[in-house]
Amino acid sequence: DAKTTQPPSMDCAEGRAANLPCNHSTISGNEYVYWYRQIHSQGPQYIIHGLKNNETNEMASLIITEDRKSSTLILPHATLRDTAVYYCIVRSNFGNEKLTFGTGTRLTIIP
Amino acid sequence: EAGVTQFPSHSVIEKGQTVTLRCDPISGHDNLYWYRRVMGKEIKFLLHFVKESKQDESGMPNNRFLAERTGGTYSTLKVQPAELEDSGVYFCASSEGGRGDNSPLHFGNGTRLTVT
Repeated sequence: DAKTTQPPSMDCAEGRAANLPCNHSTISGNEYVYWYRQIHSQGPQYIIHGLKNNETNEMASLIITEDRKSSTLILPHATLRDTAVYYCIVRSNFGNEKLTFGTGTRLTIIP
Repeated sequence: EAGVTQFPSHSVIEKGQTVTLRCDPISGHDNLYWYRRVMGKEIKFLLHFVKESKQDESGMPNNRFLAERTGGTYSTLKVQPAELEDSGVYFCASSEGGRGDNSPLHFGNGTRLTVT
């Protein structure tokens, strides 16, 4: 699976949009971009995934650049409960392959 | 719909003892994965079941670890004998679908194992 690069940490003010970037310049055509987060002492939580089109669900939006070499996860109105480590993961679309976690971005929401 | 459940939530054992962790996936999910996080390190893949078959066990650290999924429902991960470096949080995840499908993994809250 392609490697991803994320900033180690970010802060965001409560109520503002949190924009988390991810670089995946070596992504191949059959690989999806997945986002998970881990809130302290819980298991990783699925947020969203996409292939090349932008995606939105009740939790977040995923913006993927046209060349697919980078993406941004957007939490539209961050709350204190969004404080977590966010993982951007590239995963092959074949065969329910495993996820490979990196070090992620530690997002802190500031009151 | 019940999520992925893991038991026990915590386990403290002495070096050399045996521990068995259990994972109940989401009902109907064919795929079951085990991961672990050792303190200060990244979450690491251990193995992947498709129904009762081991699809990928490339992450299993050594032969002290034995995973089973009899009947393709719940899974167990046994560590025998446990060593100090086995301490960490063990996560289980499941996903639906067969080959060619791209379904997200849903994780349990993990079992925190402490070997003393």
